[in-house]
Formats: sequence, structure tokens, C-alpha cells
Amino acid sequence: GAVVSQHPSWVICKSGTSVKIECRSLDFQATTMFWYRQFPKQSLMLMATSNEGSKATYEQGVEKDKFLINHASLTLSTLTVTSAHPEDSSFYICSARYRAGGNTIYFGEGSWLTVV
Amino acid sequence: RKEVEQDPGPFNVPEGATVAFNCTYSNSASQSFFWYRQDCRKEPKLLMSVYSSGNEDGRFTAQLNRASQYISLLIRDSKLSDSATYLCVVILLNQAGTALIFGKGTTLSVSS
Repeated sequence: GAVVSQHPSWVICKSGTSVKIECRSLDFQATTMFWYRQFPKQSLMLMATSNEGSKATYEQGVEKDKFLINHASLTLSTLTVTSAHPEDSSFYICSARYRAGGNTIYFGEGSWLTVV
Repeated sequence: RKEVEQDPGPFNVPEGATVAFNCTYSNSASQSFFWYRQDCRKEPKLLMSVYSSGNEDGRFTAQLNRASQYISLLIRDSKLSDSATYLCVVILLNQAGTALIFGKGTTLSVSS
């Protein structure tokens, strides 16, 4: 199946710094990518939908100035957590829609962010 | 009514049991349907697509009922390794773009 790669898998950063997470579709073009956050023992929560070449659409309650999303190419979307705080510590997962594959959604491996 | 609803469980079954999960969706314009499996602290992984004609893959069978707007997943001969959370996912294409809607997941625990 199609592959989505996410990097880094683990990151620890100091409070107040910014962290960038990359999501790449390795063998297909993804016009739409999605970013999620998942706290322990909770469901995936959609943060934003990223469309190539246009601004991301954020879910209610997600601060667009804090979670910067850039989808500059058909194979890469990035999420930057700006001025991170300990409460931002979470599991962040991206996914990409494989349109040619029947709209199947493939997930990256996820990124564990710990803000200290 | 929530857009995608699943019984959270947990479903606790012995090895070898047959277990079925249902998922209902509210938007009749939903276009694509999937079951994903998520292990603890891991990303969701595609288990299978769901079609009206049914989809079988080994011990797993998925079915879509558009008239009643529900999706089912049947697992036969449960294995210990089937223990996970099963997510029902619906894709809706609308004027705003692609909407990806998750159920909250059904937890399955298979014991020996």
C-alpha cells in the first residue's frame, strides 16, 4: 500500500520553543493531508485539513497561529507547534488521502512530542 | 446525533470467538468507508475498505448498508493479536473539500 512517512518520531523540546513535524507521502501525490492529535487513552482529534497550495482549514478550538500548517507540495505537509508548552505534549499524527486509491487514507507513524 | 458513532466497548472475548462491531453514520452523502485498527501508542493502520457488496479478508468481513447507514466488521476465530481499538472512518466530499470523520473506536480485548 501507499506509504506516509512522518518525522521526527520522538521530540523533546523546551517550553517556549517551536517544533516542526514533517509528513511525506512517499509514493503518491496527496492533495489533501490531515493532522491529528491524540492524548493518552483518548480518540484521535482532527486538528486541521491541509490542501496543497492553499491555507489549511482548522477545526474549532485549534489555534491556527499556534499550529502552523504548510502544504507546499503534493508530497509534503508540515506542522509547526509554535511556542510549545507542556500541555502541547501529545501524539501528533498526519494522514494523506490517496485519491487514486479509492480515497483511502494512510497514516504516518506519528510523532511523540514532549515539552519540558 | 454524532456524525459517526461506535460502541466504545470494551468487548472482552475468548480466543476463537466471533465478534461483530457496528458503526453508524449520519450523513447520507458519505462516500467512502474504512475500518482501521489502532494499537496502543501507535498510529491507525488500514484494516479494510468497506463496500456495499461486502469485503472479506481472511477472518475479517466488512459490510456497508447504505440504506440504514451503518458499517459492520465481523472478526471470526479471534486471536490474542486482534486485541486493539477498531476505528470506523467515513469520508465525505463536500464543497469545503474532504471531510474525514472518525468514530471514537471500539476496544477489543481477546483473552486466552
